[in-house]
Amino acid sequence: RKEVEQDPGPFNVPEGATVAFNCTYSNSASQSFFWYRQDCRKEPKLLMSVYSSGNEDGRFTAQLNRASQYISLLIRDSKLSDSATYLCVVNPHNGNQFYFGTGTSLTVIP
Amino acid sequence: NAGVMQNPRHLVRRRGQEARLRCSPMKGHSHVYWYRQLPEEGLKFMVYLQKENIIDESGMPKERFSAEFPKEGPSILRIQQVVRGDSAAYFCASTQGLAGSSEQFFGPGTRLTVL
Repeated sequence: RKEVEQDPGPFNVPEGATVAFNCTYSNSASQSFFWYRQDCRKEPKLLMSVYSSGNEDGRFTAQLNRASQYISLLIRDSKLSDSATYLCVVNPHNGNQFYFGTGTSLTVIP
Repeated sequence: NAGVMQNPRHLVRRRGQEARLRCSPMKGHSHVYWYRQLPEEGLKFMVYLQKENIIDESGMPKERFSAEFPKEGPSILRIQQVVRGDSAAYFCASTQGLAGSSEQFFGPGTRLTVL
């Protein structure tokens, strides 16, 4: 079983739509969770960390569900510039490795 | 404050040649991670280094691949006798502190093409 699994999509949504991605992780002892964004042929960039209590940054909301071992990312009022691949990242045990999901592709359509 | 720098950005090698990829972490960062990304796939951890030490190389193939992070100079990922399957984007990331709570800052990557 993979450490981190994501629905690859693609998700094609109109501008202004709300879209949600989920990501599941296999190690119940995982401690740190992140969402990164990767544009085509570019490097990943941190979008937001995911805290146990959930956190919000503008139009973006991240949630953690430890019981079901998944994290989610909600994007409200989608913009064209949100088009990218969103990577779920998990760090088990605060160890050396970060495990990346394969990414979920989002295209926001005018 | 310059970000993570990688060079070359694009590298073309013929089968059997050697590839050397360089990574300079952000100023003040002493932890470096190397990842490989194949087309349509996620990033795969290869190796984690601190200055002069390899901390975790569990993701790196045992043969042909090696990494170093000398006291002076950039981190180097070296691939000997490259094969077509080595064609990928190789990303380097750096953190200020230990993994887990620290944000990873990525370089622009080196795209290796093996002919």
